[in-house]
Amino acid sequence: GAVVSQHPSRVICKSGTSVKIECRSLDFQATTMFWYRQFPKKSLMLMATSNEGSKATYEQGVEKDKFLINHASLTLSTLTVTSAHPEDSSFYICSARDHPGQSSGNTIYFGEGSWLTVV
Amino acid sequence: GEDVEQSLFLSVREGDSSVINCTYTDSSSTYLYWYKQEPGAGLQLLTYIFSNMDMKQDQRLTVLLNKKDKHLSLRIADTQTGDSAIYFCAFTSGTYKYIFGTGTRLKVLA
Repeated sequence: GAVVSQHPSRVICKSGTSVKIECRSLDFQATTMFWYRQFPKKSLMLMATSNEGSKATYEQGVEKDKFLINHASLTLSTLTVTSAHPEDSSFYICSARDHPGQSSGNTIYFGEGSWLTVV
Repeated sequence: GEDVEQSLFLSVREGDSSVINCTYTDSSSTYLYWYKQEPGAGLQLLTYIFSNMDMKQDQRLTVLLNKKDKHLSLRIADTQTGDSAIYFCAFTSGTYKYIFGTGTRLKVLA
């Protein structure tokens, strides 16, 4: 089946630095990718919708300048947490939608998630 | 906005059936999903149901949908210790924007 891979799976960074998380669709082209954040013992909250070749659409309350999203190709979207603070520590999950017309049929696939710890 | 509620915890004995419930407010939901999340891992799609269906069975899993009451449930037959995880219901109305429930932490006792 279709696979979405995230990297790194775990990252620790110092407060004030930036960290990049990658989301790749391994065997299909993803026109749209989604970034979620999961707080401890909470549900997933959609942060932004990323469309290949255009600017991401952010959900209300999500800081665009802090969470930079780039979707430069049909198989890669990146989330960069800029000037990270301890409160940014969380589990970030991406998902990808395949390109219309491909055999996987417009299904959403989730990555394995990335743990970010800001110290 | 949409509201999706789940019980936070469920504890069952191995071999018993588990029933995880989900209630929602958005009547325009067209696709309804159940996802499983094991500790520190991403989401695994377990099953899904279209809004024009009442029931779907897939091996040990049975999904029931009551559109009138806006209630979705997932029944796991013969629950095993490997079923211990967090279970999320999720909805979309066709825009691929998923709305997730609060998650139910299932603990299976040996």
